[in-house]
Amino acid sequence: GAGVSQSPSNKVTEKGKDVELRCDPISGHTALYWYRQRLGQGLEFLIYFQGNSAPDKSGLPSDRFSAERTGESVSTLTIQRTQQEDSAVYLCASSFGESALLYYGYTFGSGTRLTVV
Amino acid sequence: AQSVTQLDSQVPVFEEAPVELRCNYSSSVSVYLFWYVQYPNQGLQLLLKYLSGSTLVESINGFEAEFNKSQTSFHLRKPSVHISDTAEYFCAVSNTGGFKTIFGAGTRLFVKA
Repeated sequence: GAGVSQSPSNKVTEKGKDVELRCDPISGHTALYWYRQRLGQGLEFLIYFQGNSAPDKSGLPSDRFSAERTGESVSTLTIQRTQQEDSAVYLCASSFGESALLYYGYTFGSGTRLTVV
Repeated sequence: AQSVTQLDSQVPVFEEAPVELRCNYSSSVSVYLFWYVQYPNQGLQLLLKYLSGSTLVESINGFEAEFNKSQTSFHLRKPSVHISDTAEYFCAVSNTGGFKTIFGAGTRLFVKA
């Protein structure tokens, strides 16, 4: 597609429920990243994919968080048993690779605003 | 560990006035530095970057930033702002070895007529 697409744009869920967030990267972008932005805070790195493997999962906050990617396409971020502290905007970005990332930066989606009530 | 501090959460300024958005970072290794901008209802996009060479870097819309290694700063400046510069600006740092980028909390620039 023309840009990074994320769905849903907004999600309100009850505490304890599972949620699945979707990211559709730009066609041809091999690298995909998930970040989280809590209110008033900076972007927090969650996980990065190169193809369908995840060399760096160090940012996932707990074992309730998981992510997968199909080939060099769609990625889903799943949060199980959601808690109120999970409320944030979840941002997905993609890039061709490390060199491209440095010169052209990330291409971010518009994010999914998750509210856990 | 790396970190980024943006000292101002909001900066209101009148149109055609100069502006400086401050950014300080901490890192024990060589870094790459970036400013990203998020216009209303849009995703973040790269504004400018420092990778190596000249410490003063510029964007196509008149912003500039200077890498100051001794002060570990990468402040963003524009001599005369426009209404259209109203946006949130994020300073970011990554080390020279990986994909992980650390972002600051953002500075919301309001340009008033």
